[in-house]
Amino acid sequence: NAGVTQTPKFQVLKTGQSMTLQCAQDMNHNSMYWYRQDPGMGLRLIYYSASEGTTDKGEVPNGYNVSRLNKREFSLRLESAAPSQTSVYFCASLRDRGNQPQHFGDGTRLSIL
Amino acid sequence: KQEVTQIPAALSVPEGENLVLNCSFTDSAIYNLQWFRQDPGKGLTSLLLIQSSQREQTSGRLNASLDKSSGRSTLYIAASQPGDSATYLCAGSNYGGSQGNLIFGKGTKLSVKP
Repeated sequence: NAGVTQTPKFQVLKTGQSMTLQCAQDMNHNSMYWYRQDPGMGLRLIYYSASEGTTDKGEVPNGYNVSRLNKREFSLRLESAAPSQTSVYFCASLRDRGNQPQHFGDGTRLSIL
Repeated sequence: KQEVTQIPAALSVPEGENLVLNCSFTDSAIYNLQWFRQDPGKGLTSLLLIQSSQREQTSGRLNASLDKSSGRSTLYIAASQPGDSATYLCAGSNYGGSQGNLIFGKGTKLSVKP
């Protein structure tokens, strides 16, 4: 039971570099989400995707882009990384029929120097 | 805009004690409220989800309540164990389905001492 899988688990970047965080779920969920978790700030929504081919901004979208490649995969891209984007990034998915909880991956710990 | 607050930020109790974690929210038009557990270096694990039409949910030693009129939810943990040590997060959603974006509190870090 893999659930939600995020890669990589850890990454260190230099300011200005780009990278893509990968997320895949094997639960046939329609909706997928990207959050960031910062000390003292809690989790905040970056982007979400209600279905394949659709994406919408969350609370803190600036500096990020996303792609819903297919129903399983939802990637988050940092085009030009900044130190303020140092954070732990979580991907989640949701079976949006009925009142169901979101399922979370184990996170990607990203440091930008 | 929905805001979620958790107090206290940290709590330390001896093993065996019953305890209550508190969560408050500002918008009573809440669709559901969820409690999660987060272990260090790990993702979030859903513990309980309470729909707006419900007053409480139970799972094993855990009981979560929801009072929309007062804007409060509590997570009751009975007979606490060292394995319960973790950060507990509550999150509210004002909509269902794919639009049900979660608004999180900052969490309560629980330490249960043997």
